[in-house]
Amino acid sequence: DGGITQSPKYLFRKEGQNVTLSCEQNLNHDAMYWYRQDPGQGLRLIYYSQIVNDFQKGDIAEGYSVSREKKESFPLTVTSAQKNPTAFYLCASSIERREIQHFGDGTRLSIL
Amino acid sequence: QKEVEQDPGPLSVPEGAIVSLNCTYSNSAFQYFMWYRQYSRKGPELLMYTYSSGNKEDGRFTAQVDKSSKYISLFIRDSQPSDSATYLCAMSALRNFNKFYFGSGTKLNVKP
Repeated sequence: DGGITQSPKYLFRKEGQNVTLSCEQNLNHDAMYWYRQDPGQGLRLIYYSQIVNDFQKGDIAEGYSVSREKKESFPLTVTSAQKNPTAFYLCASSIERREIQHFGDGTRLSIL
Repeated sequence: QKEVEQDPGPLSVPEGAIVSLNCTYSNSAFQYFMWYRQYSRKGPELLMYTYSSGNKEDGRFTAQVDKSSKYISLFIRDSQPSDSATYLCAMSALRNFNKFYFGSGTKLNVKP
């Protein structure tokens, strides 16, 4: 069954700590995205990648970093520079230049 | 002004009612319009996708786009308790497929 797997489901970050959220897809999609969802706000784009070894900043990239070493994987690191990391993080994928067809079930990140 | 505006609700209707969900937007370059359904603690799932103006029907769901008014709608006929969720609209422009603009979501509650 094709889809996007995000892990972990819940994550807690201590002060000064970097944490990495995993996103894996088996849909053979070219494009992958990371969004942040806060209550009462739309999804905000953090980073996106159209092909392996290439990615672009979205609207709120500060304090985050990504890599795209494999087509299937697009991990997001929330660094200590991100001062307000508490949010629901969603990974998504699409056939390049098409609508977003698949989202993962998200990772909820909280500060300890 | 936000690119996409969506009434957050909540919208509460009795089972069997016709539901109308709406978004307005400001960017006349938007050509691709999407509706997503998001259950609590889950990722959004794509419900409908339309290009440019007009109507599109899929089962109990109808998506409508009025580009002259910069207004899109999602109608749900014969609403069911299982339709209770948050509905997100999203849109993108021809020039930059990978940039999607999301509404903040409308929470719908269908009462049995």
